[in-house]
Amino acid sequence: SQQGEEDPQALSIQEGENATMNCSYKTSINNLQWYRQNSGRGLVHLILIRSNEREKHSGRLRVTLDTSKKSSSLLITASRAADTASYFCATDASNTGKLIFGQGTTLQVKP
Amino acid sequence: GAGVSQSPSNKVTEKGKDVELRCDPISGHTALYWYRQSLGQGLEFLIYFQGNSAPDKSGLPSDRFSAERTGGSVSTLTIQRTQQEDSAVYLCASSLARGPRNTIYFGEGSWLTVV
Repeated sequence: SQQGEEDPQALSIQEGENATMNCSYKTSINNLQWYRQNSGRGLVHLILIRSNEREKHSGRLRVTLDTSKKSSSLLITASRAADTASYFCATDASNTGKLIFGQGTTLQVKP
Repeated sequence: GAGVSQSPSNKVTEKGKDVELRCDPISGHTALYWYRQSLGQGLEFLIYFQGNSAPDKSGLPSDRFSAERTGGSVSTLTIQRTQQEDSAVYLCASSLARGPRNTIYFGEGSWLTVV
């Protein structure tokens, strides 16, 4: 079964609004990574957060990790139409780098 | 190279034929991964290489699937006697090493269509 489950499955917002996506997982992890995918092709790495970290920022992105709840969130602030994509969380539980992906959240940002 | 490079970008093949997909990881990356993404689905782990060895092949869906890596660099994923359910995007990724600090970088994928 999937390690990560994301919610919502789909999100539609207006440009300028914030978008929040959540990810839950089942087992202990070494790290959690968020990726973006445009048009069903390559994945672009956004942020890696280690299990001993609680929050990380990168530009307009903010990721939180709550290991007690086995959950993470990705916040995109001041969204742009170019942020329209699918967003995936992926967990590394084995310390080999083998990632287990969630089903993803499809984000649509309307201009 | 600057990023993970995969070829071909797109491949249409007839059912029953064999296909080879190639991955050229980021220079110096010792770990290499293959994933598969079927239409509208999440990513499914196939196989992981550390150097030339594959300590984890657990995701290969059947014995029609095999992969090798030579010289600690380029990897080839081979699908024999392709079936229509093999149609998917096959994504390759690499990382500098194992461990919780290492970001995994993906290529653009090879879109396989079996007709």
